[in-house]
Amino acid sequence: EVQLVQSGAEVKKPGESLKISCQGSGYNFNNYWIAWVRQMPGKGLEWMGIIFPRDSDTRNSPSFQGQVTISADKSISTAYVQWSSLKASDSGMYYCARMTVSRGCNNFDYWGQGTLVTVSS
Amino acid sequence: DIQMTQSPSSLSVSVRDRVSITCRASQTIDNYLNWYQQKPGKAPKLLIYAASSLQSGVPSRFSGSGSGTDFTLTINSLQPEDFATYYCQQSSSAPYTFGQGTKLEIK
Repeated sequence: EVQLVQSGAEVKKPGESLKISCQGSGYNFNNYWIAWVRQMPGKGLEWMGIIFPRDSDTRNSPSFQGQVTISADKSISTAYVQWSSLKASDSGMYYCARMTVSRGCNNFDYWGQGTLVTVSS
Repeated sequence: DIQMTQSPSSLSVSVRDRVSITCRASQTIDNYLNWYQQKPGKAPKLLIYAASSLQSGVPSRFSGSGSGTDFTLTINSLQPEDFATYYCQQSSSAPYTFGQGTKLEIK
């Protein structure tokens, strides 16, 4: 069974650093892109970027470029998003998802349960 | 970035209704269009990929159509478990942007 299990909720202060994780199991983690998606409270879904764990090839959304770092450790089938200096506007739910190709179309077929990040002084 | 615009933003409907949600891309995306369902407090779930292909395990009352810039998600005979928010997503070019969502509410 394919599973993506994310790290637990975080409460941080502005200016602090943070790294959240997404561990895959039940499939060959190295062979599928992992995407990160943000959902701010009461809002829609925002594509942050993707990473290919086998070689850590990364594509970032311009909206998130320079704001977060996406990485992966293929030895433990885990992808990460990290912030060096959090802002209140980084508060939200963060999802990882497996990207697959079906009929030539990239889509997100499995999702993690989400990690809630709260940044408040 | 390609902009995705869904309409309506919300819809009051009843069980057994037929529902259509539209999604328009700011430029042609061929059939690189996916639909997701999200229930409160849950991760999104893939319903339709490549504009019209039903994801495994998704009930056949869900269907998708369209190509180019205009797409439609149709739900035939709405069931109580279908009250949720629906998002379209283009995967023609990165960033793979989402529509703003359409919330189905009980009439």
